[in-house]
Amino acid sequence: ETGVTQSPTHLIKTRGQQVTLRCSSQSGHNTVSWYQQALGQGPQFIFQYYREEENGRGNFPPRFSGLQFPNYSSELNVNALELDDSALYLCASSLLAGDSRYNEQFFGPGTRLTVL
Amino acid sequence: AQSVTQLDSQVPVFEEAPVELRCNYSSSVSVYLFWYVQYPNQGLQLLLKYLSGSTLVKGINGFEAEFNKSQTSFHLRKPSVHISDTAEYFCAVGRRALTFGSGTRLQVQP
Repeated sequence: ETGVTQSPTHLIKTRGQQVTLRCSSQSGHNTVSWYQQALGQGPQFIFQYYREEENGRGNFPPRFSGLQFPNYSSELNVNALELDDSALYLCASSLLAGDSRYNEQFFGPGTRLTVL
Repeated sequence: AQSVTQLDSQVPVFEEAPVELRCNYSSSVSVYLFWYVQYPNQGLQLLLKYLSGSTLVKGINGFEAEFNKSQTSFHLRKPSVHISDTAEYFCAVGRRALTFGSGTRLQVQP
């Protein structure tokens, strides 16, 4: 069973640029959540995708957007990068089934984004 | 709305000593609580979770936590720590979207 993978591991961008981060979910999972973890802080929920639709969003501006593909992999896109976007971006996959109230999230290793 | 407060940013402890990492939460809905561990340059690994039932929850690596509804706490404990337990520990609350605390750095010294 393959776990959650993310790419790239690290990348450096300059302010104003755009970036795309990728996540492959664990086999059998249908939901992907993205979190931002600033240095010295806990992760903050950005949004979740289920069946290729956004299924909940945290307090992040619209320049943070995402996609989920039919194979349940996902992308996080950030436009007009700002210095404060420098962080570790974590992807978590889970299996959301029908009326279940809880789905355990399995985290990938993250992508470290540095904005200069 | 929900929130998590981890009361200690750093906890130094000697090897083989007991440790407690404190977590307080607030939530307006039924509470699902979690502890995650993060080793350097890695993602988060689930240590244990409370969904319902027994208030004493046992997890991996010898950790356990107790859910206390009246004190809105979910403290993590281990009776004897090892050097390898040195890591960042996060308490979280939520169902489908998790709200995390700011973390506690456990530093185990020889």
